[in-house]
Amino acid sequence: TQLLEQSPQFLSIQEGENLTVYCNSSSVFSSLQWYRQEPGEGPVLLVTVVTGGEVKKLKRLTFQFGDARKDSSLHITAAQPGDTGLYLCAGARRNTGKLIFGQGTTLQVKP
Amino acid sequence: EAGVVQSPRYKIIEKKQPVAFWCNPISGHNTLYWYRQNLGQGPELLIRYENEEAVDDSQLPKDRFSAERLKGVDSTLKIQPAELGDSAVYLCASSSGLAGLYNEQFFGPGTRLTVL
Repeated sequence: TQLLEQSPQFLSIQEGENLTVYCNSSSVFSSLQWYRQEPGEGPVLLVTVVTGGEVKKLKRLTFQFGDARKDSSLHITAAQPGDTGLYLCAGARRNTGKLIFGQGTTLQVKP
Repeated sequence: EAGVVQSPRYKIIEKKQPVAFWCNPISGHNTLYWYRQNLGQGPELLIRYENEEAVDDSQLPKDRFSAERLKGVDSTLKIQPAELGDSAVYLCASSSGLAGLYNEQFFGPGTRLTVL
């Protein structure tokens, strides 16, 4: 059973386009994290969202945590080839020490 | 500050052979994780250590996989014997808190295993 569903699984766009990646669950999480992973490297933490409805911005990336803390989205404005990679969402439950990862969204931005 | 170190970065072996992966976590991080990641997928937890104690190994295939973290710092993950389906990237991660609220984890670069 996949507790965190990411969509889309694959996305190929042209430089300059906008995109949104979704991360959905029927479970409540105490926090949700977004990671980006480049080929041959481990995932790198981008952001952690904690409060329902929270919005965080990281340059051209906007992250939102759903009001009920069950879902999240990542929006990229004016995508660049350097944004290419695997984007992973991961949910944490308080005091469990575990992260539940989504299956990832592979993004390719063509110049 | 050095990140999570893993070695080797790549390993190619024939099926039925043994293989071992090594991880050195970020200094001071008492929680260490081993994950397996298939191409284009999210990481799947194999085992989690709090200091030297394995507190969650429910997803570790114990018939062929073993792990240790003897002094609560470095860790080794072993597969014996390896099967074709074990081909994947094995990631090590560490975090500073004991099952804290955020559980932010820092990952090493991984070991890409190919079993022929």
